[in-house]
This record gives sequence, structure tokens and C-alpha cells, in this order.
Amino acid sequence: GAGVSQSPRYKVAKRGQDVALRCDPISGHVSLFWYQQALGQGPEFLTYFQNEAQLDKSGLPSDRFFAERPEGSVSTLKIQRTQQEDSAVYLCASSLKLPSGLRESARDEQYFGPGTRLTVT
Amino acid sequence: GIQVEQSPPDLILQEGANSTLRCNFSDSVNNLQWFHQNPWGQLINLFYIPSGTKQNGRLSATTVATERYSLLYISSSQTTDSGVYFCAVPYGNNRLAFGKGNQVVVIP
Repeated sequence: GAGVSQSPRYKVAKRGQDVALRCDPISGHVSLFWYQQALGQGPEFLTYFQNEAQLDKSGLPSDRFFAERPEGSVSTLKIQRTQQEDSAVYLCASSLKLPSGLRESARDEQYFGPGTRLTVT
Repeated sequence: GIQVEQSPPDLILQEGANSTLRCNFSDSVNNLQWFHQNPWGQLINLFYIPSGTKQNGRLSATTVATERYSLLYISSSQTTDSGVYFCAVPYGNNRLAFGKGNQVVVIP
């Protein structure tokens, strides 16, 4: 079946511009995560949704970063007034994670999209 | 938060050689994932391995949760195995904590 998709794949923004990054998770996946990956580093957590509820946004680096998932499927990460330090690859991941609390092996396995490479000039 | 350390950071292999990558983590976890990041940046799931040993073709992984480490074995390496290998463990709301990765280059 279809995996996680993200768009655009590449985005160049001038400093101060607003950008919006889209994530389409695997159909039926309850949990959705955003990560930021700087060059040469591992991905770092930004925020987490369970269905439409944003349960954790502790990784968002500033109040210029905002994420939403209004209908519990597609998510958008918005960055306002972009700065050069925002240049990175933004990765989206989804997992099935049954909301009932039942946990089976691999229900928490996260699957990643191809990422959006953001360059702020 | 939980700390994840991977070793070695860089590895150059002759095609056909075997290698072992190691992932240490600082706290108890209930699962662990290994990924391969290809040259285009896509993270590809290799293993979901909370404990024990799994094999998938030329790759296998072992997690010893009680001792807080996992190993990824690559046998008979091929040039297509080049890339960065990440291990990741969950904490908090299942957010993943990643190591810095093992950069593997396989030369023909």
C-alpha cells in the first residue's frame, strides 16, 4: 500500500517568509509525528498527534512553528518568519497505535515519509 | 531524555565484507527500530526489535534489552548497503530518540 508522503520535497524560502509543509500519513494510522533533521545528525522530535489531538509539542523550537491535523489524517507544519537556522529536512512519520491501550508488537512501529528539505536563504 | 549512542560513527567496507553496528541506550525501552537512510534521505525500516534476534536477508539484528544495547549485522555487504544506519528508541509519547547514526560506505 501507499506509504507516508510529503510535499513539497524541496522548498527554498527567503528569510522572513512563511512556509507550509504537508504530510499524508498511511491510511488508518492514528499517530503522526514531525521530526527535524539537521545535516549530519539524527532526526529530532518536534510534535505528536493522536488523531486530531496534538498531544505533545514540546519539541517545537519556537512559537514560529505551528502544526495541525484538523481531521485526523493530513497534517501541516507551518513555520512563520523563517530564519536560516530553520534550514533542515523535516520528516513526518506515522504509526498505527491502537487507541484502546492494547499494545501488540509492531503497532508502535513508525514509518517515515521522504521528507521536505527546507533551505532558508 | 533517553540517550542513544551508535558506534562506529563511520565505517568503510570492501564489498563482500561483514560488519557489526552497535546501539547503546541509557534507559529501559519497550521497543527499538533500526533504519537505513538512503542517499536520497528516505528512512527505510529495517527492524522493529524490542528483544531477541531477527533476520531479513543479509541483515540481522539482536536486541538485549536488559543490557540496553542492540546490534545490527550486515553480511556479504554490497554497494547498495551504503548510507547511514540509525537506531531509535521511544520515550514519552512514543517519540523516537535517534542516535547520530553509523555512516557506512561499501566500496567495490
